[in-house]
Amino acid sequence: DIQMTQSPSTLSASVGDRVTITCRASQSISSWLAWYQQRPGKAPKLLIYEASTLETGVPSRFSGSGSGTEFTLTISSLQPDDFATYYCQQYNGYSWTFGQGTKVEIK
Amino acid sequence: EVQLLESGGGLVQPGGSLRLSCAASGFTFSSYAMSWVRQAPGKGLEWVSALSGSGSGNSYNADSVEGRFTISRDNSKNTLYLQMNSLRAEDTAIYYCAKDTWEGVRGVLDYWGQGTLVTVSS
Repeated sequence: DIQMTQSPSTLSASVGDRVTITCRASQSISSWLAWYQQRPGKAPKLLIYEASTLETGVPSRFSGSGSGTEFTLTISSLQPDDFATYYCQQYNGYSWTFGQGTKVEIK
Repeated sequence: EVQLLESGGGLVQPGGSLRLSCAASGFTFSSYAMSWVRQAPGKGLEWVSALSGSGSGNSYNADSVEGRFTISRDNSKNTLYLQMNSLRAEDTAIYYCAKDTWEGVRGVLDYWGQGTLVTVSS
């Protein structure tokens, strides 16, 4: 199975900060990567797919980049609604795996 | 508006069985693949199973549930199912159903239900 490793596991930031989360795959997954946001007690929400395509309705302060084995999710200016846990997910083939999550906390 | 409503969770003994259901509305159910994803208490997300929109294509399972869990769907009832057999303590989790973005299994999950809790314990 392809392993996904996110860093950092926890990130403390303030409103207005630029935030970057990294996701590394154990082997190349081309651009078959999605990012999800999960707020406490809620279901995950799709933010980005194919590494850099913003899902409809997601604010433009979210962006994704990368290909192969290294990917990043960037929030250009952190808003109060953005304090949540973020997961990357690879969908190369038919056995999908998620990263362990990055919790974005209020500093 | 897309809605996914899971049901069927509860407390079950190790070795027991449970069937989860996911009632879908707000979209043409048969036109989209569906998946189950679970989340153990306080832990991350784990993909479980996926099935194409027609239901007649291949189904796909995580190694951790292969041979024990079966995904199926009834497109006439707009409902997705997960039959879980030989349950183990490590299967304890919130189980989410999620809609894919294509008829074929792709892996981009754009809508999720609120989940149903399965607890495996004696």
